[in-house]
Amino acid sequence: GQNIDQPTEMTATEGAIVQINCTYQTSGFNGLFWYQQHAGEAPTFLSYNVLDGLEEKGRFSSFLSRSKGYSYLLLKELQMKDSASYLCAALTTDSWGKFQFGAGTQVVVTP
Amino acid sequence: DTAVSQTPKYLVTQMGNDKSIKCEQNLGHDTMYWYKQDSKKFLKIMFSYNNKELIINETVPNRFSPKSPDKAHLNLHINSLELGDSAVYFCASSLKNPATDTQYFGPGTRLTVL
Repeated sequence: GQNIDQPTEMTATEGAIVQINCTYQTSGFNGLFWYQQHAGEAPTFLSYNVLDGLEEKGRFSSFLSRSKGYSYLLLKELQMKDSASYLCAALTTDSWGKFQFGAGTQVVVTP
Repeated sequence: DTAVSQTPKYLVTQMGNDKSIKCEQNLGHDTMYWYKQDSKKFLKIMFSYNNKELIINETVPNRFSPKSPDKAHLNLHINSLELGDSAVYFCASSLKNPATDTQYFGPGTRLTVL
């Protein structure tokens, strides 16, 4: 079957670093996306990894290991506005690039 | 300018009714999607269309019927609404299919079935 696992919730203080892990098992794999979703809003794109390694984009970095079926999103210098749900999504190769989403990790940033 | 727009934003209706949700994108994308996000926050794909052609049709009751009059629009019609249909429905679009391109999501339509 297909499965995307990520922690339900993480709490961290302003200025700290938080790492959100995601493991996936899919019948095909064509890349791993991270989306940010604030409460009551639409998901917005953060990053895309298809090759192994680290992609850095400002305060956010994303890592992928295809052999381990593992990714993480690293949020540095946390700000209050980073409080949101972070969705891990695997792009499968069956059915024309279907996305399989995780349930999301709620990150709570405290002062 | 809104990239992906949906109407209505909120929809409250009685069980058994028929309702439609509209989606439009002005990004010139070829592919559009409908997702359902339930109370547990799982985002599940329902349908995708590429240039008005149905590509993905997940295990969705046939009470749900998507319609794409042109590649900028993908509407969702739901017949005989049930309590379990209550959720937030998101429309999205991406440049091409397979969607290795970024998906842009609409603001969502919160459907409540009473």
